[in-house]
Amino acid sequence: EAQVTQNPRYLITVTGKKLTVTCSQNMNHEYMSWYRQDPGLGLRQIYYSMNVEVTDKGDVPEGYKVSRKEKRNFPLILESPSPNQTSLYFCASSLGSTGVPYGYTFGSGTRLTVV
Amino acid sequence: KQEVTQIPAALSVPEGENLVLNCSFTDSAIYNLQWFRQDPGKGLTSLLLIQSSQREQTSGRLNASLDKSSGRSTLYIAASQPGDSATYLCAVAQGGSEKLVFGKGMKLTVNP
Repeated sequence: EAQVTQNPRYLITVTGKKLTVTCSQNMNHEYMSWYRQDPGLGLRQIYYSMNVEVTDKGDVPEGYKVSRKEKRNFPLILESPSPNQTSLYFCASSLGSTGVPYGYTFGSGTRLTVV
Repeated sequence: KQEVTQIPAALSVPEGENLVLNCSFTDSAIYNLQWFRQDPGKGLTSLLLIQSSQREQTSGRLNASLDKSSGRSTLYIAASQPGDSATYLCAVAQGGSEKLVFGKGMKLTVNP
């Protein structure tokens, strides 16, 4: 089944403790992206990647890191989480700029709470 | 800067009604527009995707239209059911990039 898989689904952590949220897609998509969703603010893009080893900042990149060493994986790293990063996070993938017809596929989300 | 607006933010209707959900965007230079459904605490499920060159797309009881020149899209839901209750999100992909810009969504409640 074509899908984007995020782990974990739920995470409670303490301020300053480094964490990684994994994202993997099995559709050979070139483009991958991370979003956060907050009440009243909607979905905002954190980082995106056009292909392996190509990443760039979205609208709200502060406090986050990403890497794209393999086409299928795009982990989101919080080096020193803070309470304002408490949010619902989504990973998404798309075929790429030369093949957008199929749109975007989203993962099921990771609900992160930083205390 | 692209802005996507969905009005109203919430809608409550009785079962069986035909519904029109509205989405507007400020920059017509879009690659495509996608409608999503989100159930509480869950991920986004893609409903319909309309390319910039298309006028509409249909899937079952859903029909989405796109008027790029006026910056508008509508999602039509025929014969609404309680199972249609969810938040509906509209998102546009910017031309020249892959970035999706989302509206804040419309929470639909269909009452039995």
